[in-house]
Formats: sequence, C-alpha cells, structure tokens
Amino acid sequence: GDSVTQMEGPVTLSEEAFLTINCTYTATGYPSLFWYVQYPGEGLQLLLKATKADDKGSNKGFEATYRKETTSFHLEKGSVQVSDSAVYFCALTDSGGSNYKLTFGKGTLLTVNP
Amino acid sequence: DGGITQSPKYLFRKEGQNVTLSCEQNLNHDAMYWYRQDPGQGLRLIYYSQIVNDFQKGDIAEGYSVSREKKESFPLTVTSAQKNPTAFYLCASKEGNYGYTFGSGTRLTVV
Repeated sequence: GDSVTQMEGPVTLSEEAFLTINCTYTATGYPSLFWYVQYPGEGLQLLLKATKADDKGSNKGFEATYRKETTSFHLEKGSVQVSDSAVYFCALTDSGGSNYKLTFGKGTLLTVNP
Repeated sequence: DGGITQSPKYLFRKEGQNVTLSCEQNLNHDAMYWYRQDPGQGLRLIYYSQIVNDFQKGDIAEGYSVSREKKESFPLTVTSAQKNPTAFYLCASKEGNYGYTFGSGTRLTVV
C-alpha cells in the first residue's frame, strides 16, 4: 500500500539557518505530493504541492521538488524564522490506489530559536 | 469566508460514554473526512464520505460511527467501544482535484 516516510524530529535550528526535511514515498500509481504545516493547537494548512514528476512546489520561501527517480519530496527553506516553528507533514494522494484519501508521514517538529 | 468548523474545541468524556464531534463546512465540497492524530503517529483516517448518504470505513474505524445526512455536515461519534479515544480529531473536505481543507480540530480527553 501507499506510505510516506519523513525524517524524525525534533529539528531545532537557529533563525536564518537552512532547513531540509526529508520525505520519501511508496505509491502504486501516480501520486500527488503535499506538504502541510500545523501550528500549535490548530488544524493543518496546505503549504505546497506538486502533482507530477519534476514539478516544484513553493510557498512562503519553502520549496519541494517531486523526484520520481528517488521517490522523494524533500522540503527546503533557505532561511528559517521563529514563526516557522511548527509540525510539518509530508503527504500523498495516489491516483492508482487510494485516491480517496491523504496518506501522511508521522510529522516533523521544527523549532526555530532567535 | 468559506471553511470548516469543528466543535467543540475541547471535549471531555467519561468512561463508557458516547460523544459526538461536530464538523460543518460551507465550501460546497462533496467529500469529507475524519482523521485522528496521536503524538508521533501522524494522521490516520477514521471514516470518509464522498457523497451525501454514503460513507466508508477508513484505516481505524473500530469504535467510531458517522452519518452524512446533509452535504455540509459530517458528525463523528466516538463510542464506548473505542478503547483509547484520547486524541486530536481533524475533519477535512475536498472537491475534485483541489486541495484538502482542514478544520481546527477537537481535542478529546477521557477523564
């Protein structure tokens, strides 16, 4: 079945540091890939997405490129801010399999210190 | 503004009680979902509904029940058969190929 594996946290960085959160996936069809962000006590917000191989999703300085050859969708940001502190989830929907739902990774807690 | 409203934000349940979590959307989305979030577990699908009067079990449906009598409403009942109900519950909706929209969640605690 479909699965998403993302790097375990917590990740602690200083402000303006470079961020990478690794995400790899297994899917039976042609997945669309997502990064969601969850701030404390809140629901999930879509951060970015990519729907086909080599697409790059970007938003608020975050980027991720859909790499079919390595089945990866790593999240990056060049200079993090304290306000980026949150839990980040990698997720997929699979057109060839469980298209009806999002399959999530376990989440990565990011803390950015001033 | 369109969105998903979950209520209550915090809910306390005694052992052996059933409780119902509310989820209402004004986005006119056909599909609605309930996920459960536990620390370090990610989100797991409980139930989903792709159309009014129809719903399907997700990966962890045991101890839960739902109804979908109206397009805008998808309440989740946590029954006494759910042995470990303490968790954060998230409702979501989706229309076609657009992204999922999530509510702000309900935190359920057994006391």
